[in-house]
Amino acid sequence: RKEVEQDPGPFNVPEGATVAFNCTYSNSASQSFFWYRQDCRKEPKLLMSVYSSGNEDGRFTAQLNRASQYISLLIRDSKLSDSATYLCVVAGASGGYNKLIFGAGTRLAVHP
Amino acid sequence: EAGVTQSPTHLIKTRGQQATLRCSPISGHTSVYWYQQALGLGLQFLLWYDEGEERNRGNFPPRFSGRQFPNYSSELNVNALELEDSALYLCASSLAITGRLTDTQYFGPGTRLTVL
Repeated sequence: RKEVEQDPGPFNVPEGATVAFNCTYSNSASQSFFWYRQDCRKEPKLLMSVYSSGNEDGRFTAQLNRASQYISLLIRDSKLSDSATYLCVVAGASGGYNKLIFGAGTRLAVHP
Repeated sequence: EAGVTQSPTHLIKTRGQQATLRCSPISGHTSVYWYQQALGLGLQFLLWYDEGEERNRGNFPPRFSGRQFPNYSSELNVNALELEDSALYLCASSLAITGRLTDTQYFGPGTRLTVL
């Protein structure tokens, strides 16, 4: 079983739609959680950290459910520029706090 | 401010050869990480260096090795190349922040290694 599992998609949505991505992780000792964004043939970039209390950054909302070992990302009012692969990332369990464990990513395509 | 830089951008080698990939971290960052992203797979953690020391290693064979220099730049060496080593190799750097559990990692553009 993979340590971090994501629905690969692709999610094809029109501009303005709301889309939600889910992610599960297997190691309950994980301590840190993130969403990264990776554009085609580019490097990953940190989108946001995820906290137990949930957090919001503009159109993006992230939630963490430690009991269910589940992380989510909600994107409201999708823009064409949101088209990318979204990577769910956990850290802090096996191997130390700075060893990032990446999911395989969920691809989002926003169309006009 | 310059981001993480990596060289070369592309590298083509044949089976059995050795490859050397280089990374320069963001100025002031002391930690460097290496990840492998093979086609269709997620990023896999390879190595973590901090202050010149190897701090952690992923599930890769010993022919993957590296080092960090006094100026915090880093090299990843892959010996006895195999076809399945073909991948994008990403380097990231971070700065330790007091009170933060996991440091934010900033990625470079990667080196695309092709093994023929």
